[in-house]
Amino acid sequence: DAGITQSPRYKITETGRQVTLMCHQTWSHSYMFWYRQDLGHGLRLIYYSAAADITDKGEVPDGYVVSRSKTENFPLTLESATRSQTSVYFCASKGQNTEAFFGQGTRLTVV
Amino acid sequence: GQQLNQSPQSMFIQEGEDVSMNCTSSSIFNTWLWYKQEPGEGPVLLIALYKAGELTSNGRLTAQFGITRKDSFLNISASIPSDVGIYFCAGHSLNYGGSQGNLIFGKGTKLSVKP
Repeated sequence: DAGITQSPRYKITETGRQVTLMCHQTWSHSYMFWYRQDLGHGLRLIYYSAAADITDKGEVPDGYVVSRSKTENFPLTLESATRSQTSVYFCASKGQNTEAFFGQGTRLTVV
Repeated sequence: GQQLNQSPQSMFIQEGEDVSMNCTSSSIFNTWLWYKQEPGEGPVLLIALYKAGELTSNGRLTAQFGITRKDSFLNISASIPSDVGIYFCAGHSLNYGGSQGNLIFGKGTKLSVKP
């Protein structure tokens, strides 16, 4: 199906573990984004990518790693998860002539 | 970092009332966007504004791009129960060269509508 999908929808992991959140879009949009959403903070930009192999830090990049080897995928990795990274994560994509479309989110709990 | 100041944080209104919320920034924006988020879902675009002074409507929703390029407002007329959700302003700041990648959001306005 066309659109933007995130997986998994829910994830529980332990402190110190590596976790990768997946994001896939079928529109061939050039831009992709990762946000985290926490109460009182709204949506904060973690990383974004303007094209394959081009990534840039957003407002809160520490503790996260991204890659974009293919235009359609933009995985987000927490190399060593911490409790402060418990959050809802949203991926989005944007074309040159469209605004951003969001996935349904991944709820991550770090215990 | 860049900040968008969105107000109010929350609103409790009666069905049929009009609603107004706004967003301000200390820096100039070249795009203002308004999104709505319902529980368990990602934000969905409502209105996009690209020119200073632009006034755009989408059904009962009206939004304006401020003349100074540092603010925007969203009005909802004759609210109904399905308007419930969190409304976010967002935009691309010229401080980052207007980069389409640096899309930042306000903290949101949570709207509750009493039938």
